[in-house]
Amino acid sequence: DAKTTQPPSMDCAEGRAANLPCNHSTISGNEYVYWYRQIHSQGPQYIIHGLKNNETNEMASLIITEDRKSSTLILPHATLRDTAVYYCIAFLPRAGNMLTFGGGTRLMVKP
Amino acid sequence: ETGVTQTPRHLVMGMTNKKSLKCEQHLGHNAMYWYKQSAKKPLELMFVYSLEERVENNSVPSRFSPECPNSSHLFLHLHTLQPEDSALYLCASSQGTERNTEAFFGQGTRLTVV
Repeated sequence: DAKTTQPPSMDCAEGRAANLPCNHSTISGNEYVYWYRQIHSQGPQYIIHGLKNNETNEMASLIITEDRKSSTLILPHATLRDTAVYYCIAFLPRAGNMLTFGGGTRLMVKP
Repeated sequence: ETGVTQTPRHLVMGMTNKKSLKCEQHLGHNAMYWYKQSAKKPLELMFVYSLEERVENNSVPSRFSPECPNSSHLFLHLHTLQPEDSALYLCASSQGTERNTEAFFGQGTRLTVV
């Protein structure tokens, strides 16, 4: 799986959009971009994933650049409960393959 | 609630004890995984089971012994652990095929070795 690079930490004001960047310049054509988050001492939670097109669900939006070398996770209206470590993972879904987590970005949502 | 249940949630054990961690999923997934998360470190993949067969063992010491009796259950047997083995142990499951799907994690077992 391709390596990803994320800033170690970010702050965001409550109610504002949180934009979390991720670089994955070595991503291969069939690797997806997955985002997970981990709230303190809990198991990671799936947020969203995509291959080429932008994606949106009830939790977030994922914007992938046209060259696929970077992406941005957008939490449109951050709440205090969104404070967590956010992981960006380039991943090839296939039998026996599993997610490899890096350091992630620690997002602190402040009142 | 993710559909992946781990028990116990907390465990304190001595270095000479033998204990087991349990993971259960009823999501119809056919792949299950053990991860370890030590303080201030990224998650480390320990074991991967696909269709009840171990397909990956990331150089994990033999004092950790996994068991997957069926596609819904996964165990991690522990014996003669060291204090540095204290960590959050996470179980996950996924469809485990080439289809595009996400993994679901349990809440973890917080293990303290004394």
